This record gives sequence, structure tokens and C-alpha cells, in this order.
Amino acid sequence: DAGVIQSPRHEVTEMGQEVTLRCKPISGHNSLFWYRQTMMRGLELLIYFNNNVPIDDSGMPEDRFSAKMPNASFSTLKIQPSEPRDSAVYFCASSPSTYEQYFGPGTRLTVT
Amino acid sequence: AQSVAQPEDQVNVAEGNPLTVKCTYSVSGNPYLFWYVQYPNRGLQFLLKYITGDNLVKGSYGFEAEFNKSQTSFHLKKPSALVSDSALYFCAAPSYNTDKLIFGTGTRLQVFP
Repeated sequence: DAGVIQSPRHEVTEMGQEVTLRCKPISGHNSLFWYRQTMMRGLELLIYFNNNVPIDDSGMPEDRFSAKMPNASFSTLKIQPSEPRDSAVYFCASSPSTYEQYFGPGTRLTVT
Repeated sequence: AQSVAQPEDQVNVAEGNPLTVKCTYSVSGNPYLFWYVQYPNRGLQFLLKYITGDNLVKGSYGFEAEFNKSQTSFHLKKPSALVSDSALYFCAAPSYNTDKLIFGTGTRLQVFP
């Protein structure tokens, strides 16, 4: 199994632009999590899905952030418009419902 | 509310010496506890978990963790540290009645040659 796949691995964009981060979870896993990691705030859970349904989005910073999971093998996290304070590493993780989470390699986002 | 605490931001140890990375927990019910490791520029990787049974849990890369109910601790240990063990370590526990994991703030382990 290839593990959790995230794309792109690096994204540099200008303030105000739309950013879309993509995630392919491990096949058969029914939970998917989006995290953000920064030096200042550490690891933060943004949103998680169970069986493609958003369960808890209380960590989403504001309306500029949105996430979708149209099917069991794909999820997106969108930021529109992006701001410099959104610069971080964004991780996607999937889980087979045993609390064990498998993380992707992350997307390093830089907003200038 | 469920929570885990990692009291040390950084732990320094010489190669070959034993290492301990501390974690304490506050959870309701029977605790499920996890350790994850994050190497530079990588995602978190599962190391080991405690669900029930033996208080000493063995995991990947020679790591083990000791569950201590009376001290509400779940410290990560390794008998002989390697330079390659240098990484960021996270303790975690499930949030009550959800699939979420509550992560500690992380402890940076530095192993010196």
C-alpha cells in the first residue's frame, strides 16, 4: 500500500489566491483527518470525516477554509482567499476506526 | 475532558544511554494511549499503543512504553538511544466518544553522538 498520498508537497502562492490541497487516504480506511502544524501553534486538528461525512469541523479557523470528501478515496482542503498566516504544513491522515491514524507526508504551504 | 501532557519540550541524551520521554494523561474510562514519532519533514508515524493488558507495551524501532495507572503516566522508553532516534515525539489519547485523537504538545528528542 502506498500510504496516504498528499499533493502538492509544496505550494507557494500569493496572498488572496485560492489554494487547494489534496489527499488520497489508505484504501479501506473510513475516517479522514486534516491537520495543520506550525511552530507557534503546534499540531491542530482542522476537520475530520467518517464515511465521507464531516463529523467535526470545529477546528476550521474561519470561513476561508473549506473541506470536502466526495468519495472514499479523495478529499480536498481549500483556502480562499489565502493569507500569510495560513502558512503551515498541512497533514492528512486516515484511520481504519481503531484510533490508529496514518499520516501523509504533508503539504508545506507558503503564502507571501 | 480528555487530555495528555508532555512536560518536557526537549530531552537530550547521549547515544547508547537509555532515554525516557514523559507523558501523563487525564481520561475518563479505560485509557487508550498512543505514541507517535515525527522525523524532520515527514508526517507523524505510529510507534505503539496501549489498549489493555500488559503495562509494558513494545513498539517499533526498539521503543517501549510503560502504562502506570496510579501515576496516570505513559512514558516512552528505549534502553539504548541512537542518533537516528532524534525526532519529535507525540503522546495521544482518543477524545471521548469520537474518532479524534488528542495530541500532546510534543517533545523533541536530541541524541548526541
